[in-house]
Amino acid sequence: DVQLTQSPSFLSASIGDRVTITCRASQGISRYLAWYQQKSGKAPKLLIYAASTLQSGVPSRFSGSGSGTEFTLTISSLQPEDFATYYCQQLNSYPRTFGQGTKVEIK
Amino acid sequence: QVQLQESGPGLVKTSGTLSLTCVVSGGSISSSHWWSWVRQPPGKGLEWIGEIYHNGGTNYNPSLMSRVTVSVDKSKNQFSLKLTSVTAADTAVYYCARGSMLRGFDSWGQGTLVTVSS
Repeated sequence: DVQLTQSPSFLSASIGDRVTITCRASQGISRYLAWYQQKSGKAPKLLIYAASTLQSGVPSRFSGSGSGTEFTLTISSLQPEDFATYYCQQLNSYPRTFGQGTKVEIK
Repeated sequence: QVQLQESGPGLVKTSGTLSLTCVVSGGSISSSHWWSWVRQPPGKGLEWIGEIYHNGGTNYNPSLMSRVTVSVDKSKNQFSLKLTSVTAADTAVYYCARGSMLRGFDSWGQGTLVTVSS
């Protein structure tokens, strides 16, 4: 199985901050990586696919980069509605796996 | 816009079988997507269970493969999950989702909590 390790697991930030979350894969996954946002009690929402493609309707302050084994999700200017847990997911091989999540909270 | 809706019992007895259905609306289950089940134990992360294509092709998580069956009913535009020999460790919110290798899981149901208890 491909293991995905996100860092940090917890992040405290202020409105307007630039936030970066890293996802490292235990083996190369090309660019078959997606990022999701999950708010409490809700289903995950797709933000980014193919490592860097913004899903339709997602604000442009979200961006993704990387390939192979190292990927990042960046929020350029944190907004109140961005406080949530973020997960990466690899789709290069089976079983599909997710990172452990990064919880973004208000400082 | 495609929508997914899970349904099934919220309480399953230990050693019993968990059965859930996901109805797809606003789109065809015969489209070029894989239809997945994902679960999330309370307070924990996401775990992919398995998926099915409209032609019946399946892929399962090896950690659950011996207990899982995913099936599709194209006439009803829905797919289903069966998980046998359940224990308390199977207590989770179960989501159905539409996905592809390139575009990730772009549509999700709202999730349904299944509690396993004796």
